[in-house]
Amino acid sequence: DAKTTQPPSMDCAEGRAANLPCNHSTISGNEYVYWYRQIHSQGPQYIIHGLKNNETNEMASLIITEDRKSSTLILPHATLRDTAVYYCIVRAWGASGSRLTFGEGTQLTVNP
Amino acid sequence: GAGVSQSPRYKVAKRGQDVALRCDPISGHVSLFWYQQALGQGPEFLTYFQNEAQLDKSGLPSDRFFAERPEGSVSTLKIQRTQQEDSAVYLCASSLGGTETQYFGPGTRLLVL
Repeated sequence: DAKTTQPPSMDCAEGRAANLPCNHSTISGNEYVYWYRQIHSQGPQYIIHGLKNNETNEMASLIITEDRKSSTLILPHATLRDTAVYYCIVRAWGASGSRLTFGEGTQLTVNP
Repeated sequence: GAGVSQSPRYKVAKRGQDVALRCDPISGHVSLFWYQQALGQGPEFLTYFQNEAQLDKSGLPSDRFFAERPEGSVSTLKIQRTQQEDSAVYLCASSLGGTETQYFGPGTRLLVL
C-alpha cells in the first residue's frame, strides 16, 4: 500500500472548519483513500473513504485532487469532541483481507 | 446495532503468564482482523481471518502469539509467556468482506509487569 504523509499536529477553533491534509504521491490506480480517527483510549473510528471523486457523509467531506496525489479531510464545524488523532490510509481495493497500514496520523486539537 | 466488542478491556499480567483476549465481531461480518498498538504509535496489523480460516498471520511478532476463530465468529488472541514488550493495546476489527470497511472494537489494554 502507498505511504501517506500527514502533519503531526493541527489546531482548530471550535465551530470553524478543520481541514486535514494528506499526501499520497505514490498512490496506485486501484487504491482508495480512507480516513479514520482515534479518540483517546478508544478504537479507531471509520470516517470516510473515496477513490477519485469528492465524497461527503454526515461526519465529513473528502476532497481528492485530480491527480490523486493528495487529499483533504474537512470537518465543517469542528467541536471539542472532534479532538483526536486522524489517520489517512491508502488501501488497495479488491485485495481480499487487505490490512490497514496506519501511519502516525495528525493530532487535531479543537480549542474552545 | 451492536458494534465490535472486546474483553477484557484491561489486563495486567506478570511476565511469563499466558493471556487470552476475546473479540466479538459485528454479527454477519465474515472478516476479522487483529492489530497491535504500542503507546504513541498507529495500530499495526497482526492477523486476518475469513470465516474460520486464518488467511494471513504475517504480522504476528513471534510464535508466542496465536489466534483462532473456530466457528467463524468470536476470535481469541492468545499470548503465551508474556514479555514486557507485549504491553500494548490489542484492537480487533471486522468487516462484511475482506475488502469492505473495517470497524474497530474499543481494544484491550495489556500491561505486562
